[in-house]
Amino acid sequence: DGGITQSPKYLFRKEGQNVTLSCEQNLNHDAMYWYRQDPGQGLRLIYYSQIVNDFQKGDIAEGYSVSREKKESFPLTVTSAQKNPTAFYLCASSIAASGVGETQYFGPGTRLLVL
Amino acid sequence: AQSVTQLDSQVPVFEEAPVELRCNYSSSVSVYLFWYVQYPNQGLQLLLKYLSGSTLVESINGFEAEFNKSQTSFHLRKPSVHISDTAEYFCAVSSSNDYKLSFGAGTTVTVRA
Repeated sequence: DGGITQSPKYLFRKEGQNVTLSCEQNLNHDAMYWYRQDPGQGLRLIYYSQIVNDFQKGDIAEGYSVSREKKESFPLTVTSAQKNPTAFYLCASSIAASGVGETQYFGPGTRLLVL
Repeated sequence: AQSVTQLDSQVPVFEEAPVELRCNYSSSVSVYLFWYVQYPNQGLQLLLKYLSGSTLVESINGFEAEFNKSQTSFHLRKPSVHISDTAEYFCAVSSSNDYKLSFGAGTTVTVRA
């Protein structure tokens, strides 16, 4: 089955620690996205990538980093600079980033909690 | 840039009653509108979308939404809800000069027997 997988489902971070969230897709989509979801705030865009080896900052990129070395993979690192990382993180992909009205397909999410 | 406002954060409704979720957007150019649904602790799933053409769009599970350009709205409706429709619903918009999606804050629908 084609889809997007995210791991782990739950992740715990200690103070000062960097953690990496995995996102893999087998839909052969060019574009991938990372969102952060907080209660009552909807989804906010962290980073997005239109093509391999290229990515751009979204609205709330501070304290996060990404890489896009393979078409199917777009890992997100939450660094120690992110002072309030507790949230639900969602990865998404679309066929092409700049197509008209592209549908984004979402993974099941990773819930990050701070110890 | 575009933006979305969902006017209701919580909507309680009885089973088999109708429901309407309100969504207004702002944009200076042509828009593309989406409704996504999120069940507890899951990702988002596309419910329906408007790109062009008929202003009334329907989903396979009985939801419909109408694009109203003059009122800059894209309200979602269902004539008779089921317990299984309990979820959070997000309205989103992209435009001809900004293909990235902007999401509303979400509306939580709770269906009671």
